[in-house]
Amino acid sequence: GQQLNQSPQSMFIQEGEDVSMNCTSSSIFNTWLWYKQDPGEGPVLLIALYKAGELTSNGRLTAQFGITRKDSFLNISASIPSDVGIYFCAGRGNAGGTSYGKLTFGQGTILTVHP
Amino acid sequence: KAGVTQTPRYLIKTRGQQVTLSCSPISGHRSVSWYQQTPGQGLQFLFEYFSETQRNKGNFPGRFSGRQFSNSRSEMNVSTLELGDSALYLCASSMGAGDEAFFGQGTRLTVV
Repeated sequence: GQQLNQSPQSMFIQEGEDVSMNCTSSSIFNTWLWYKQDPGEGPVLLIALYKAGELTSNGRLTAQFGITRKDSFLNISASIPSDVGIYFCAGRGNAGGTSYGKLTFGQGTILTVHP
Repeated sequence: KAGVTQTPRYLIKTRGQQVTLSCSPISGHRSVSWYQQTPGQGLQFLFEYFSETQRNKGNFPGRFSGRQFSNSRSEMNVSTLELGDSALYLCASSMGAGDEAFFGQGTRLTVV
C-alpha cells in the first residue's frame, strides 16, 4: 500500500531559526496537506497543495508540491516558541475507487524550539 | 463558523464492551472520514462517508463500523472492545472527498 516517509523525525532548534521538513511517497498523490498537532488535540490544517510544482505560503510557512507528485516539503521561517508541536504531511490520491476521503499520513516531525 | 465537533472527548471502557463516538462536521460539509491515532501506528484511515454512503474503508476488522445521517453527522461504533483499541479517534470533514479536510479535537478512548 501507499507509504509516506516523513523526515526528520524530530528537530531541536533555537528560536529564530528556519525549519525544513519533507515527505516522500512511493506513489503519486493529487493532494498534499500539512497539519500541526498539539498534545491531546486534533491536527490543524496549515497548508493545502493541489497542483504539482505549486508553492504556497501561509504567514511564515511555505510548502511545495513536488513536480513528481511523490513529495512535498514544508518550511517554517524565523521559528517562535509557539511553533512547538508535531507536524504531519498527508497525501491523497485521485477521488474514486480506494481513495475516497482517504488521507495517508507521514509519521510526523516533532519540533522543539528553544527560546 | 463552528468547527468539527466530536463527542465525547474522553471515554473509558472495559474490554468486551462496545462504544459509539459522534462527529458533527462543519456546516455544509458532506464528507466525513474517521482516523485512529496510536503512538505505534500513527494516523490510520478507518472509513469515509458522503451523503450517508460509505465510500471507502480502511484495513480494520469488522468490529469497527460507522454511519452517516441525513444532516451529515456521523457516528462510529466499535464492538467487543480490545485493549489495542485504545487510541485517539479523529473525525475530519470536508466539502467533498477531494477538498481540504478539517479535524475535530478527537475522542480519547481508553480500554481497560
